[in-house]
Amino acid sequence: NAGVTQTPKFRILKIGQSMTLQCAQDMNHNYMYWYRQDPGMGLKLIYYSVGAGITDKGEVPNGYNVSRSTTEDFPLRLELAAPSQTSVYFCASSLANGVTYEQYFGPGTRLTVT
Amino acid sequence: AQSVTQLGSHVSVSEGALVLLRCNYSSSVPPYLFWYVQYPNQGLQLLLKYTTGATLVKGINGFEAEFKKSETSFHLTKPSAHMSDAAEYFCAVSHSGGGADGLTFGKGTHLIIQP
Repeated sequence: NAGVTQTPKFRILKIGQSMTLQCAQDMNHNYMYWYRQDPGMGLKLIYYSVGAGITDKGEVPNGYNVSRSTTEDFPLRLELAAPSQTSVYFCASSLANGVTYEQYFGPGTRLTVT
Repeated sequence: AQSVTQLGSHVSVSEGALVLLRCNYSSSVPPYLFWYVQYPNQGLQLLLKYTTGATLVKGINGFEAEFKKSETSFHLTKPSAHMSDAAEYFCAVSHSGGGADGLTFGKGTHLIIQP
């Protein structure tokens, strides 16, 4: 299994541009998450999904959109990029086993908006 | 609302010495607690987790943590540090239901191992 994969690894955007960060998992997990990590700040939840067709906002959703058309994929869309969106973005997935939801993380996408 | 406080953004220990990384949490529901490790330019890897039951939990790479409800703490320890333990460590608490709707992370502690 590849686990959680993210593309691209790095990207530089100009202010106002748009892009989609791709995330895929091959573990048949039903839960997927997007976090951003800023220096010295830990990770903050942007959006999450409990299954195909179902998404919900996390702590910092403004400026982002998500969709979940399949179990495997959970892309994150940035519209009108702003310097405040410069960050490292992590996608994660977990399997709902009724007890805990251990999250498996991808390697991250480092985004710079200038 | 849940929150996590990690005391010390940087901790330095000598190789072979005890590692102690501190984590205190607040939670409006019975907490599910996690420790993750992040090596440079990589994603996060789960070290250990507390759900219910035994309050002393053992994880990978010789790490363990003890859940103390009265102190709202979940400190991470390792008896003898190894150079390969140098990394960023994050404590996290579930929002609810074991973490189905996401985790709240602390700001992280950078562990430095002195030779």
